[in-house]
Amino acid sequence: DAGITQSPRHKVTETGTPVTLRCHQTENHRYMYWYRQDPGHGLRLIHYSYGVKDTDKGEVSDGYSVSRSKTEDFLLTLESATSSQTSVYFCAIEDVNSYEQYFGPGTRLTVT
Amino acid sequence: AQRVTQPEKLLSVFKGAPVELKCNYSYSGSPELFWYVQYSRQRLQLLLRHISRESIKGFTADLNKGETSFHLKKPFAQEEDSAMYYCALSGGSNYKLTFGKGTLLTVNP
Repeated sequence: DAGITQSPRHKVTETGTPVTLRCHQTENHRYMYWYRQDPGHGLRLIHYSYGVKDTDKGEVSDGYSVSRSKTEDFLLTLESATSSQTSVYFCAIEDVNSYEQYFGPGTRLTVT
Repeated sequence: AQRVTQPEKLLSVFKGAPVELKCNYSYSGSPELFWYVQYSRQRLQLLLRHISRESIKGFTADLNKGETSFHLKKPFAQEEDSAMYYCALSGGSNYKLTFGKGTLLTVNP
């Protein structure tokens, strides 16, 4: 599974609480991505990183922040969770030679 | 701006029937196009990409630049093909993928 893991796999939290999701890779890929998957919307890019401390916004970045202090870890933070952020979150890494993205197993987040 | 359209949210066929999942794109340059598949409760995985011109699990997809389409086809559907299928486009040097909204394929016995 391309050496990419996510934690936690499931989380239930209350509105207004901060939440951090972790993506960890063992492939030493430069590019990493965070998506959310929602019925009727497919996958939408939240943020991405093109190197340590180099990140940029995707199409649905409001309410999310990211950090990448090491090549292998890409963190997604919801500063103050809202019910609209209930979703399945996928992390991905990219092989820049083939443009293929490899996905993590996903984190199912429920905000009550 | 790049855009991917999958016009069918749901597609249901019988085992052994041909299946075609439609994908249209909008992009001003030369795109890289992909099909990703997600089986129930599993992670997304790459099914095929146009540049390799492969046939994976009996699926093929041809890039039609004139019609800006990249439809996924299989002549004889199997029950194990039931899954969510996403068409995706990568354009330019930013390496970002734009996904369609997906088509849920159900193959009935």
